[in-house]
Amino acid sequence: GAGVSQSPSNKVTEKGKDVELRCDPISGHTALYWYRQSLGQGLEFLIYFQGNSAPDKSGLPSDRFSAERTGGSVSTLTIQRTQQEDSAVYLCASSLGALEGLDQPQHFGDGTRLSIL
Amino acid sequence: AQSVTQLGSHVSVSEGALVLLRCNYSSSVPPYLFWYVQYPNQGLQLLLKYTSAATLVKGINGFEAEFKKSETSFHLTKPSAHMSDAAEYFCAASTSGTYKYIFGTGTRLKVLA
Repeated sequence: GAGVSQSPSNKVTEKGKDVELRCDPISGHTALYWYRQSLGQGLEFLIYFQGNSAPDKSGLPSDRFSAERTGGSVSTLTIQRTQQEDSAVYLCASSLGALEGLDQPQHFGDGTRLSIL
Repeated sequence: AQSVTQLGSHVSVSEGALVLLRCNYSSSVPPYLFWYVQYPNQGLQLLLKYTSAATLVKGINGFEAEFKKSETSFHLTKPSAHMSDAAEYFCAASTSGTYKYIFGTGTRLKVLA
């Protein structure tokens, strides 16, 4: 498909376990974003990757959260020692990137619904 | 700091009635503005965007939005609601010099038969 792909679509895990969420952006998109959407809330920015530049991690809520992007394409968001408050939908988006103009829209995946028991 | 405010977390309209979803932004510099729609268990889909080329922007599914600088607003409208329009709608803004979007908290639209 041509869209942003996220896996798994659903993840249920026990408190204290580590989880990895994957995002495969649209081919050619240099910018990649992770957001968290909690029930009844808007979208909370987590992290931004632009090409080979250092990522903007300013939205990560704690040091239990980390993300990497290998080869400028696929990204993995890792949450260590999960807590119940981490339960949310994690959305990934990609775009052509700021270098192509700040009006470039972000294209979203369908998200990973994470539930911490 | 820039912010985006969506008035009304829930809006109900009858099928065939006008849809009006409100969005106000706070910024000294007119931003780029976007409306997204989110259907259940899906990601966000772009409806339309404002990039200063025209104040009235037409999007997909019959939606349009008008940028009003004097009111710092970017309200979303559709002349006649359809049952398939039931979804959550998000307004977002980005300003020159930043790649981050600021999202509103969303408005859930319910369409009544």
